[in-house]
Amino acid sequence: GENVEQHPSTLSVQEGDSAVIKCTYSDSASNYFPWYKQELGKRPQLIIDIRSNVGEKKDQRIAVTLNKTAKHFSLHITETQPEDSAVYFCAAHYSGGYNKLIFGAGTRLAVHP
Amino acid sequence: NAGVTQTPKFQVLKTGQSMTLQCAQDMNHNSMYWYRQDPGMGLRLIYYSASEGTTDKGEVPNGYNVSRLNKREFSLRLESAAPSQTSVYFCASRSQGANEQYFGPGTRLTVT
Repeated sequence: GENVEQHPSTLSVQEGDSAVIKCTYSDSASNYFPWYKQELGKRPQLIIDIRSNVGEKKDQRIAVTLNKTAKHFSLHITETQPEDSAVYFCAAHYSGGYNKLIFGAGTRLAVHP
Repeated sequence: NAGVTQTPKFQVLKTGQSMTLQCAQDMNHNSMYWYRQDPGMGLRLIYYSASEGTTDKGEVPNGYNVSRLNKREFSLRLESAAPSQTSVYFCASRSQGANEQYFGPGTRLTVT
């Protein structure tokens, strides 16, 4: 079945460093890849997404890259700040159902001052 | 706009009890979803509704039923709760033609 693997499960960085989270997906027909940020006790919120016709997308300090051939995509956060500390989820659109997203297991990012 | 709202925020049930989780959205979205979130497992789709009057199973539908009462409301029912259903439940909605899903604040359910 459809699967999304996410690594690492935890990531600890110093403030100002960069953080990279990687995901792989199995459905070669997937064409939409969002990233959600979830702060403790809060709801997941979309921070950036990318469609399959684009290789990279940036929004200020965050960027997402997509390699469709290898079926993997990554989230890059530069100049990390303590408020970036949260759990980050990647997801891939599952082509077998009506706009169903399959989520990765999440990465807990801790940014230390 | 309130966005996506869920009630209750917290609930404790005994094994075998039933309850309904409520979800409503005021964004005129066609599609609505129910997910459960467990530690280390991300968000898993329980049921979804592409439009009013239609519902379909997701990845983990066993032990749950849903009702799309109208365009605004999508409820999730546990007929006989089990400890394995202890989880945080999120409702989400999406506009037709768009990809982004908007999540509600979640319901933390504990089954003892």
